[in-house]
Amino acid sequence: DQQVKQNSPSLSVQEGRISILNCDYTNSMFDYFLWYKKYPAEGPTFLISISSIKDKNEDGRFTVFLNKSAKHLSLHIVPSQPGDSAVYFCAASALRNKLVFGAGTILRVKS
Amino acid sequence: DAGITQSPRHKVTETGTPVTLRCHQTENHRYMYWYRQDPGHGLRLIHYSYGVKDTDKGEVSDGYSVSRSKTEDFLLTLESATSSQTSVYFCAISESRGRNQETQYFGPGTRLLVL
Repeated sequence: DQQVKQNSPSLSVQEGRISILNCDYTNSMFDYFLWYKKYPAEGPTFLISISSIKDKNEDGRFTVFLNKSAKHLSLHIVPSQPGDSAVYFCAASALRNKLVFGAGTILRVKS
Repeated sequence: DAGITQSPRHKVTETGTPVTLRCHQTENHRYMYWYRQDPGHGLRLIHYSYGVKDTDKGEVSDGYSVSRSKTEDFLLTLESATSSQTSVYFCAISESRGRNQETQYFGPGTRLLVL
């Protein structure tokens, strides 16, 4: 039973436009959420996080939105750049130090 | 970037042989983790450590053991490798203070093929 789901295996976006990556979760005890980006043959790199006491967190071109009632979070990238092409993983935590990851979404930004 | 290295980076082995993967950190972080990444599953936690000689099981621990005799090293052992353990293995570390515990930083990965 997947507690964290990324239902879109892939997403293709034109350079300069907005990329929206979605993530749903089922465990209401999750209180901390993170996004990681992964390039081929490299380890995941931390991108941005959000605590359940907030509904939005912004860092440059990246914004994460959390909708607790819907158990849904999204990552917005504006404007999208070709270098953003990667696999994006959503992760959630209910207990300190134990992260549960989604299956990932492949983002392709076309120039 | 966090100072995390993994060795070997690539390994091909045969079914039934033991395999040990090493994770080394230079950040003096308390927590260390081993994950495997497989298509359609994202990253799944195998084992983790919350201090020297303190380890616990993760979601997919069967067939794996770990050891941590020093803060900087965390070893993952496949006692008798099987084809189902063909995967990419990632080590991660995190700090031990405040909310930063949940932000984990990953190594470059080890690609393991079990024939």
